[in-house]
Amino acid sequence: EIVLTQSPGTLSLSPGERATLSCRASQSVSSSYLAWYQQKPGQAPRLLIYGASSRATGIPDRFSGSGSGTDFTLTISRLEPEDFAVYYCQQYGSSPGMYTFGQGTKLEIK
Amino acid sequence: EVQLVESGGGLVQPGGSLRLSCAASGFTFSSYSMNWVRQAPGKGLEWVSYISSSSSTIYYADSVKGRFTISRDNAKNSLYLQMNSLRDEDTAVYYCARDIRGYSSSRAFDYWGQGTLVTVSS
Repeated sequence: EIVLTQSPGTLSLSPGERATLSCRASQSVSSSYLAWYQQKPGQAPRLLIYGASSRATGIPDRFSGSGSGTDFTLTISRLEPEDFAVYYCQQYGSSPGMYTFGQGTKLEIK
Repeated sequence: EVQLVESGGGLVQPGGSLRLSCAASGFTFSSYSMNWVRQAPGKGLEWVSYISSSSSTIYYADSVKGRFTISRDNAKNSLYLQMNSLRDEDTAVYYCARDIRGYSSSRAFDYWGQGTLVTVSS
């Protein structure tokens, strides 16, 4: 089973700053099968990035994804107040049909 | 507008059963694979189960294999999760989520319901 480790656990930044969130896999992951989600308290997760770098419908271009193999990154270029939330990476395929999520990074206002 | 609405959650004793439903609207349900994902209180996300558009392919997480059964009724635009032999550790909000395989070679969940809370406790 592929384990996804996200870092840091908590990231404290101010609006307008740049955020860089990391997702490291225990084995190589197909870029096509790496996604990022945002979740706010009391809400369902929202898809931000799929295929490691493709933005989902309606996602602002300040969100970008990159990486390959075992190291993937979600970058938020200039933080808006509504961006403070928990972010999860997800991969598919460590076993047939199986999805796994990282443990999450909490992005909080400094 | 795509909508997924879960129902059927509640309080159940350990060893009991519960059936969750997810009503889909705003898209051609029969063309999309679907998933169940859960989130224990204050914890992260855990994928539970997958079903293909025609129900021909089904997968489960090891943690629920043999106890949970996923199914769908395309005529009713509905997804189900039958949960048997429930344990304390099954306590979570359960989300249904649409798989993007309907239009992409990638793998991700593009629409989620609001979730339904299942509490397993005596």
